[in-house]
Amino acid sequence: QLQLQESGPGLVKPSETLSLTCTVSGGSISSSSYYWVWIRQPPGKGLEWVGGIYYSGSTFYNPSLKSPVTISVDTSKNQFSLKLSSVTAADTAVYYCARAKLELHWVDPWGQGTLVTVSS
Amino acid sequence: QSVLTQPPSASGTPGQRVTISCSGSSSNIGSNTVNWYQQLPGTAPKLLIYSNNQWRSGVPARFSGSKSGTSASLAISGLQSEDEADYYCAAWDDSLNAVVFGGGTKLTVL
Repeated sequence: QLQLQESGPGLVKPSETLSLTCTVSGGSISSSSYYWVWIRQPPGKGLEWVGGIYYSGSTFYNPSLKSPVTISVDTSKNQFSLKLSSVTAADTAVYYCARAKLELHWVDPWGQGTLVTVSS
Repeated sequence: QSVLTQPPSASGTPGQRVTISCSGSSSNIGSNTVNWYQQLPGTAPKLLIYSNNQWRSGVPARFSGSKSGTSASLAISGLQSEDEADYYCAAWDDSLNAVVFGGGTKLTVL
């Protein structure tokens, strides 16, 4: 079955760039029916959609985010990545990568999540 | 402040029926389907109900979803202790071009 796994540093300094990678296994990232998303959850708070990417490279981001976001895809490695620039403490969260259904936007499955703390 | 509005908490006793509401607007729930997620303590969220009222494979029929206008609801009948979790509604928002979530409802089984 399809599985997703986040990887990257657990600690990032303020004003630096947060970088995470999601590795997809058990299926191809080049599916025409789905796209790939990042969702985050600050400690003790609710879910926030960061953005998504289609295998062709088309992206869409949450306009409410204060830090600049870039999501990219590497189909040869079956991976997609997240970069969040100029981070602040408000970007401290568990970051989940997941698969979303095109046009219907339901998200399934999710990765286990990785906690990223922004602190000096 | 979340774009979709959910009650922060809900509770019920085993066997009872509980309903969780989700209120939005014409740009999200009013024009797109609603999905519901369950997040058990310390774990990643899981898809529960998609496209307003469709069960994800493996989800018991005790869970049901509905939508009317700009609101949606999740009903859980025959409440069980293992249903104690946070529940989130979500929908695509045509104005933001993004998925928006509700703030989440913490369900307690008394």
